[in-house]
Amino acid sequence: DQQVKQNSPSLSVQEGRISILNCDYTNSMFDYFLWYKKYPAEGPTFLISISSIKDKNEDGRFTVFLNKSAKHLSLHIVPSQPGDSAVYFCAASAPAGNMLTFGGGTRLMVKP
Amino acid sequence: NAGVTQTPKFRVLKTGQSMTLLCAQDMNHEYMYWYRQDPGMGLRLIHYSVGEGTTAKGEVPDGYNVSRLKKQNFLLGLESAAPSQTSVYFCASSYLIRGFVGEQYFGPGTRLTVT
Repeated sequence: DQQVKQNSPSLSVQEGRISILNCDYTNSMFDYFLWYKKYPAEGPTFLISISSIKDKNEDGRFTVFLNKSAKHLSLHIVPSQPGDSAVYFCAASAPAGNMLTFGGGTRLMVKP
Repeated sequence: NAGVTQTPKFRVLKTGQSMTLLCAQDMNHEYMYWYRQDPGMGLRLIHYSVGEGTTAKGEVPDGYNVSRLKKQNFLLGLESAAPSQTSVYFCASSYLIRGFVGEQYFGPGTRLTVT
């Protein structure tokens, strides 16, 4: 049973528009959430995180929103740029846990 | 800082052969992880270590063994490779932040093909 799900395998957006990537989780113990970005032939790199004490965290063009009651988080990229084209993974961690649980990833394509 | 490095970058094995993948980190992280990435499956945890001399099973440990003899190194072994182990393998390291596993730093990956 996947505890972290990214239901959209791919997303295509026009340059300059907003990209919204979604992630749902089922484990109510998860309390810390992260987004990673992965280019082909490279390892994932950390993008942004949020803890459950917040409902929003912003870093430049990237904003993560957390809705704990819905067990849902989303990553907003505004404005989207062609260089943002990559696979995005969401991940979650529980208190005192030793690992991250990853979603299946969403491939974002930003068209010029 | 080199961060997390993985050796080798590519490898082709025949069914039944063995090999060891090496991961090294220079950030003094306590936690280290081995993942495999398959199309549509995201990153699945194979084994992990919370410190030198300790290892634990992840989500998909069968067919793999690991060792953490030194804090900076984490080895992944395949004793008898199978075609189902064809995948891209990523190593990662991390620290704890206020009781949570913090940001994980990933290596560049090893692409393994088993024929």
